Amino acid sequence: SQTIHQWPATLVQPVGSPLSLECTVEGTSNPNLYWYRQAAGRGLQLLFYSVGIGQISSEVPQNLSASRPQDRQFILSSKKLLLSDSGFYLCAWREEGTYEQYFGPGTRLTVT
Amino acid sequence: AQKITQTQPGMFVQEKEAVTLDCTYDTSDPSYGLFWYKQPSSGEMIFLIYQGSYDQQNATEGRYSLNFQKARKSANLVISASQLGDSAMYFCAMDHTGGFKTIFGAGTRLFVKA
Repeated sequence: SQTIHQWPATLVQPVGSPLSLECTVEGTSNPNLYWYRQAAGRGLQLLFYSVGIGQISSEVPQNLSASRPQDRQFILSSKKLLLSDSGFYLCAWREEGTYEQYFGPGTRLTVT
Repeated sequence: AQKITQTQPGMFVQEKEAVTLDCTYDTSDPSYGLFWYKQPSSGEMIFLIYQGSYDQQNATEGRYSLNFQKARKSANLVISASQLGDSAMYFCAMDHTGGFKTIFGAGTRLFVKA
């Protein structure tokens, strides 16, 4: 069966510090991968998606970036965090040709 | 433009009663999928139910059913026999055949009262 992991679960970082969130998927090959952000009490905002190794599509211009160094690994990064980067970050995967996305447990980021 | 609208920010329901959460969508693509996700206070997103645009019958999964009215572009979620554990945020979402992106609504917070 497929599983998706995200870490860390929670993170408190000062403004201006770097960020690296990692997501890995097990039990599937060549999944579509997604990074979402959810502000408190709000819906999901798609940040990045990837359909293959090294391929990244950005939905929202901002100080975040994403990379996919391996087939089942998706990384969200920032060189300098802003207060507005605080939120709940969710990674998701989807098998190509299907509709359903499956989400990781999320990372709650607080920028202070 | 593709859009998902959930007009109920919050809903209350008595335990053991049924509740309907509204969702309307807008798309010009004839082939699409509609889903509902549940997000409890822990934050995880749980996939509940899926309806394809060409499906003739409404989707059902246990106590969840999707009332799909294509002409009205609505995809309401019906939860029968509500339980206290159903208290959560519920998100309606849409995707397109061959597309890579899923669009989510703003969500409805459901409160189940004992």
